[in-house]
Amino acid sequence: AQKVTQAQTEISVVEKEDVTLDCVYETRDTTYYLFWYKQPPSGELVFLIRRNSFDEQNEISGRYSWNFQKSTSSFNFTITASQVVDSAVYFCALSEPNGGADGLTFGKGTHLIIQP
Amino acid sequence: GAGVSQSPRYKVAKRGQDVALRCDPISGHVSLFWYQQALGQGPEFLTYFQNEAQLDKSGLPSDRFFAERPEGSVSTLKIQRTQKEDSAVYLCASSLVVAAYYNEQFFGPGTRLTVL
Repeated sequence: AQKVTQAQTEISVVEKEDVTLDCVYETRDTTYYLFWYKQPPSGELVFLIRRNSFDEQNEISGRYSWNFQKSTSSFNFTITASQVVDSAVYFCALSEPNGGADGLTFGKGTHLIIQP
Repeated sequence: GAGVSQSPRYKVAKRGQDVALRCDPISGHVSLFWYQQALGQGPEFLTYFQNEAQLDKSGLPSDRFFAERPEGSVSTLKIQRTQKEDSAVYLCASSLVVAAYYNEQFFGPGTRLTVL
C-alpha cells in the first residue's frame, strides 16, 4: 500500500534562513507521481510541483527547489532565503495509476513558521 | 468563477442530522475528488468522479456517506446521521483530464463541518 511520511510536524526558522522539508514515500509501483502542495491559513491547497518516477532531475523554481532520490524514496523540498509569506502547512503526496485509490495519498504535513 | 468553490464554508450540525456539502468544480474539468481533512492531518481521499460516473468510492468511511455528480459538473457530498467523528474539513478538487493521477488537482477552500 502506498504511504507518505513527513516526519517533521513543525519547523520554525527566522526569515532569510534556508529550510528543507522532508518527504519519504512507500509504493510497490514502478510508475508513480509525487506532488507538493501548500496550504496557507486560508485553507485552500495550492499546487507547487509534480514529479514522475522516471524523472529524477532536481528542479528549481525561484527560491524553491526539489530533490528527488528514488534510492532513498525521498522527495525533499527546500526553500532558500525564506520569507514570512512562506508560512503555511506543506503536504507531500503520492499517486499511482495502477493501484490503490484514484486520489492522492497525502502525508500529515509540515507546519512551517517563518519568523520575521 | 475561476476556481473551485464549495458551500457552505462552515456547517454546524447536531449529532444525527443529515448534511449536504456542495462543490462547484472548474468549468470543463472532467475529474472531481472529495477528501476529508481532520484537524492537524493531511487530506484523505473519499471518492472520485469522472464526469457523472463515480469510479472510486473506496475511501468513503461508512454507508452514511454518499456522493453524486448527476450532470458531470456540480457534486454533492451527503452525510446521513452525522456523528462527532465526522467533524472535519471536506475538500473538493477538480482536474482537467481523465487520467487524473498524474495531473494537478485544483482544490476548493473546503467546508468545515462541526458535529455537536
